[in-house]
Amino acid sequence: QKEVEQDPGPLSVPEGAIVSLNCTYSNSAFQYFMWYRQYSRKGPELLMYTYSSGNKEDGRFTAQVDKSSKYISLFIRDSQPSDSATYLCAMTLNSGGYQKVTFGTGTKLQVIP
Amino acid sequence: KAGVTQTPRYLIKTRGQQVTLSCSPISGHRSVSWYQQTPGQGLQFLFEYFSETQRNKGNFPGRFSGRQFSNSRSEMNVSTLELGDSALYLCASSPLTSGVADEQFFGPGTRLTVL
Repeated sequence: QKEVEQDPGPLSVPEGAIVSLNCTYSNSAFQYFMWYRQYSRKGPELLMYTYSSGNKEDGRFTAQVDKSSKYISLFIRDSQPSDSATYLCAMTLNSGGYQKVTFGTGTKLQVIP
Repeated sequence: KAGVTQTPRYLIKTRGQQVTLSCSPISGHRSVSWYQQTPGQGLQFLFEYFSETQRNKGNFPGRFSGRQFSNSRSEMNVSTLELGDSALYLCASSPLTSGVADEQFFGPGTRLTVL
């Protein structure tokens, strides 16, 4: 079983819809939780970063962490065609003074105009 | 500020050959990490270099190696290529300002195809 599980999709939604992307994890030692967005033929770029359980909002994006359930989510409100990309969750833990990052496999999102 | 650059962008090799990929981090970033990305396995950590020293290594065979130069540029080498090495190889640099979960800035990757 992978440490981080993420549904690969693809997820197809109409423009303006609310999108929910999710990851589950098994290692309770994970400390920081991130969401990256990766456009086709590009490297991932950091979208959101959070540490504690609860919600963090940034514009149309909300990151949610539930440490008790080992579950994180990314919500996109008023989705736009430009949001079409692969979204990767990532988590870090302290391993010998070094922050070890583990990525999910990514969910491919398509927003249809 | 220029982003992370990787060369070449695309590469086709045959089994048994070796390949060297190059990464130039963002100016001032001293940490460089390498990842392999495939559809089935996602992003898998290969290794990380900081100040010319390998600080951490993922679970890849010894055919995968790397190094970092004094100007922070990094190279990754794969010897005796196998079909399963076909992947997108991503390089990421980090400023390591806080020492905890610093943001990683990714390059566009090198698409390696092994025939």
